[in-house]
Amino acid sequence: AQSVTQLDSQVPVFEEAPVELRCNYSSSVSVYLFWYVQYPNQGLQLLLKYLSGSTLVKGINGFEAEFNKSQTSFHLRKPSVHISDTAEYFCAVSEGNNAGKSTFGDGTTLTVKP
Amino acid sequence: GAVVSQHPSRVICKSGTSVKIECRSLDFQATTMFWYRQFPKQSLMLMATSNEGSKATYEQGVEKDKFLINHASLTLSTLTVTSAHPEDSSFYICSARSTGGVGTQYFGPGTRLLVL
Repeated sequence: AQSVTQLDSQVPVFEEAPVELRCNYSSSVSVYLFWYVQYPNQGLQLLLKYLSGSTLVKGINGFEAEFNKSQTSFHLRKPSVHISDTAEYFCAVSEGNNAGKSTFGDGTTLTVKP
Repeated sequence: GAVVSQHPSRVICKSGTSVKIECRSLDFQATTMFWYRQFPKQSLMLMATSNEGSKATYEQGVEKDKFLINHASLTLSTLTVTSAHPEDSSFYICSARSTGGVGTQYFGPGTRLLVL
């Protein structure tokens, strides 16, 4: 069985500051890892994904994440946030057997203040 | 990019009625679609996995007779909430995985259901 832990439920940060949203996972097999963003009353938008290859993954809107197998982490980072980045962020893991079923973390609310 | 639509985006119904929600993959074929439920300020809870042409696989605790899922084609899956009650009020989100796709799911915009 797989599980995902997002270590911070809320992250307040000032505009133009860097941010890191933390995600740890557990699984007995190889995994695919994802970060999604959700704006109020909307569905989820894929920010980035790790399937294989380079452990540093770049996504949309200036976000990036690094897969660390030894620490079973997939933290999301952005060097300089904007007000428009205020949203809910979800980390998800899918086991690498192509079953496609994903397990989501509880989410992190990122609030960017002026 | 891959686009998934849901219809309706919002629905209000009386207790005891049934509501059908459609999920369509607009520019790709989806052998597998997933239905999630999301309560306010909470994460997504997987309800069921829907495979084209076969019966859906429901997660533990999800009533298959209450949440009917049909995946009749490679671009359409429907979720019918039968005899809806106020506790069924929630945000329902579908996602689709393309044929041959590796892991990636594309999410619909969600359907807000309010049962009075």
